[in-house]
Amino acid sequence: KNQVEQSPQSLIILEGKNCTLQCNYTVSPFSNLRWYKQDTGRGPVSLTIMTFSENTKSNGRYTATLDADTKQSSLHITASQLSDSASYICVVSGSSGGSYIPTFGRGTSLIVHP
Amino acid sequence: EAGVTQFPSHSVIEKGQTVTLRCDPISGHDNLYWYRRVMGKEIKFLLHFVKESKQDESGMPNNRFLAERTGGTYSTLKVQPAELEDSGVYFCASSHQPPQYYNEQFFGPGTRLTVL
Repeated sequence: KNQVEQSPQSLIILEGKNCTLQCNYTVSPFSNLRWYKQDTGRGPVSLTIMTFSENTKSNGRYTATLDADTKQSSLHITASQLSDSASYICVVSGSSGGSYIPTFGRGTSLIVHP
Repeated sequence: EAGVTQFPSHSVIEKGQTVTLRCDPISGHDNLYWYRRVMGKEIKFLLHFVKESKQDESGMPNNRFLAERTGGTYSTLKVQPAELEDSGVYFCASSHQPPQYYNEQFFGPGTRLTVL
């Protein structure tokens, strides 16, 4: 069964600090992995996408890593800002039989305090 | 460019009633997806339209759910009759190309459905 597990479930940090969110998956065969940011009351917005051959991808202060061998990914946020407070969702898509149905994690709720 | 819009933003109905959710994708996006998040759980795929055709509806929970996309523009998701377990947030997303091209899906804000 395809699964995506994220940790921690929630995280509180001070503004300006760095943090790292984790994602472990069992989706197979693997196609791609995306990290999304979801603000309260909004839909998810894509931050990064990585395919099998990529092991790091940056988008401003967000850097995602992927280890396809261990089926782990991380999202590192540098110099956090108050606006980074949101839910961060790891989404893994497989490629079974022409279907690319994504499997979502439950997300990590990040709160950045001033 | 307008994003994906969904209507209504909230809906509260009683068990046994019918509710219709609407999604307007980004103009020109042939691919439209419906997802649902039940409280405390992860977002789950419901179905995928390519224009007006259902490409994949393997995530639809049962025959009380009917999705349509007449004319390949906006889409509706009807729940009839609604049950308590149907409560959750229903998201719509759209993309220009199908998922095998790693095309970003743009999500709407969701419709929060509460069945009492």
